[in-house]
Amino acid sequence: DGGITQSPKYLFRKEGQNVTLSCEQNLNHDAMYWYRQDPGQGLRLIYYSQIVNDFQKGDIAEGYSVSREKKESFPLTVTSAQKNPTAFYLCASSSRRASNQPQHFGDGTRLSIL
Amino acid sequence: QQQVKQSPQSLIVQKGGISIINCAYENTAFDYFPWYQQFPGKGPALLIAIRPDVSEKKEGRFTISFNKSAKQFSLHIMDSQPGDSATYFCAARIPYGGSQGNLIFGKGTKLSVKP
Repeated sequence: DGGITQSPKYLFRKEGQNVTLSCEQNLNHDAMYWYRQDPGQGLRLIYYSQIVNDFQKGDIAEGYSVSREKKESFPLTVTSAQKNPTAFYLCASSSRRASNQPQHFGDGTRLSIL
Repeated sequence: QQQVKQSPQSLIVQKGGISIINCAYENTAFDYFPWYQQFPGKGPALLIAIRPDVSEKKEGRFTISFNKSAKQFSLHIMDSQPGDSATYFCAARIPYGGSQGNLIFGKGTKLSVKP
């Protein structure tokens, strides 16, 4: 089935550690997105990528980094500079060729501090 | 202004009742307004969406009402069921072109439907 796969489902980070969250899609979508979800805050955009080898900062990019080397993959690294990383992280993708196509989401990765 | 304001923050409805969630926006350039449903531990899933040239869209028990002049849109869930208990997000899309087709989300409404 086509969809978005995020892994791992749960992740724990130690002080000073960088961790990488995986996002893979087989929907042949050009655009991919990373959101952070905190209780009562809705979804806030971290980074997005419209095409391979190009990405842009969203509203809360500080302390995060991404890469887009393949169309299917858009990993997010939470660096040690992100002082409050505990949250639910969601990856999404969309087709830019169909204007009525929505963003499709994965089932998220919950990151906690050890 | 790139904000979408959603209310209420939480909602309790009896089984069989109507659930109503409201959203308001400022940017008249938004070109697409989806609603997402999210269950605990899962990602949001598209529920229903509308374009600004349509005033109402209905899919089963779910209806979007869109008031372009007031810059408001709302989700109505008819005959609400306990299985509808979830968090609902409205969103508005920045048009494709220079600004990416990104979505701006409301902060969500937690709906509880009591049996």
